[in-house]
Amino acid sequence: AQSVTQLGSHVSVSEGALVLLRCNYSSSVPPYLFWYVQYPNQGLQLLLKYTSAATLVKGINGFEAEFKKSETSFHLTKPSAHMSDAAEYFCAVTHPNNAGNMLTFGGGTRLMVKP
Amino acid sequence: NAGVMQNPRHLVRRRGQEARLRCSPMKGHSHVYWYRQLPEEGLKFMVYLQKENIIDESGMPKERFSAEFPKEGPSILRIQQVVRGDSAAYFCASSGLAGGPDTQYFGPGTRLTVL
Repeated sequence: AQSVTQLGSHVSVSEGALVLLRCNYSSSVPPYLFWYVQYPNQGLQLLLKYTSAATLVKGINGFEAEFKKSETSFHLTKPSAHMSDAAEYFCAVTHPNNAGNMLTFGGGTRLMVKP
Repeated sequence: NAGVMQNPRHLVRRRGQEARLRCSPMKGHSHVYWYRQLPEEGLKFMVYLQKENIIDESGMPKERFSAEFPKEGPSILRIQQVVRGDSAAYFCASSGLAGGPDTQYFGPGTRLTVL
């Protein structure tokens, strides 16, 4: 069984401030982890993924995430928020079992960026 | 290279009617997943299909919902006798060797409204 918890359904930061979105997972086997971003009325866009290589993963738009096995965490960060980062962010987990495994999503975190 | 395509983007149905949602995976992808996103919630897995086979339908409601991925043509998610509670965004994702076997790429979704 696997699950994902995203602490904080809403996060508000000022433009230029650090963005930190939290994700903790539960998995009985080593996981693959993903962050997706969803803009209003759109589909999900892949930001980055961890698939058992480097624990610090860099993604698009200046985001990165670090896999910490001891903390079962995969928090998403960005050094300086931009207004265009305002969106909903989803953390998801699956298992490395060929190409067919469902994603289990967290509840999402809505990021608001204040000018 | 076209991404995952879904149509229609918006669908309005009256209670008791049928809804058909279509999904064309990315070129080279042979795995299709359907997810449902209820308002203000994360995505929930419904069904995973390969060509002509349902691999995992553990997330599908037991009645009124069905899915197929024929040898030719798009994957279809069919909802019979829709009820107001079926109103949601339905997302299709695909995966395959292209882009990494464990990475799912999402379509823009179909937003179903049941009147």
